[in-house]
Amino acid sequence: NAGVTQTPKFRILKIGQSMTLQCAQDMNHNYMYWYRQDPGMGLKLIYYSVGAGITDKGEVPNGYNVSRSTTEDFPLRLELAAPSQTSVYFCASSYSTGSYKQYFGPGTRLTVT
Amino acid sequence: SQKIEQNSEALNIQEGKTATLTCNYTNYSPAYLQWYRQDPGRGPVFLLLIRENEKEKRKERLKVTFDTTLKQSLFHITASQPADSATYLCALGEIKAAGNKLTFGGGTRVLVKP
Repeated sequence: NAGVTQTPKFRILKIGQSMTLQCAQDMNHNYMYWYRQDPGMGLKLIYYSVGAGITDKGEVPNGYNVSRSTTEDFPLRLELAAPSQTSVYFCASSYSTGSYKQYFGPGTRLTVT
Repeated sequence: SQKIEQNSEALNIQEGKTATLTCNYTNYSPAYLQWYRQDPGRGPVFLLLIRENEKEKRKERLKVTFDTTLKQSLFHITASQPADSATYLCALGEIKAAGNKLTFGGGTRVLVKP
């Protein structure tokens, strides 16, 4: 199993540009999450999904959009990038029961200038 | 307002000693609490889960306690090794109809010196 994969690893965007961060998991998890982590800080939840076709906002959803058309994929869309969106973005997935253990991807480091 | 607090100062500890990290929270009623390890440039890795009705959990050299009255969890690394150097994050878990959500603390960096 590849686990949780994210692409790209790094990206530099200009202010106002848009992009999609890709996330995929091959563990058949129904729950998927997007977090952002600013330097020296903990993770903040952006959006999450409990299954294909179902998404909900987290703590910091403004400026982002998500979709979940399949169990495996959970892309995060940034529209009109702003410097405040400079951060490291982590995707995670989990089962809905048991240990609620979240499996994290390697992250995407995004810089908006 | 809701708050999760971990000691933001790095914890420097001698190899072989026990490292103790704290996680305090306010205005949460978590169903469970988790601890994760994060190495520089990598995603967090799950270590331990403790549920609201449990007082203590152990896994190898790791021990977690959970006091819902004090609203505090303690995380212990016994016989610490340089390889334990990392940032440790606590996370509160809430089970909601819309799905389970984790809220993370800011993390505590641990540096184990040989």
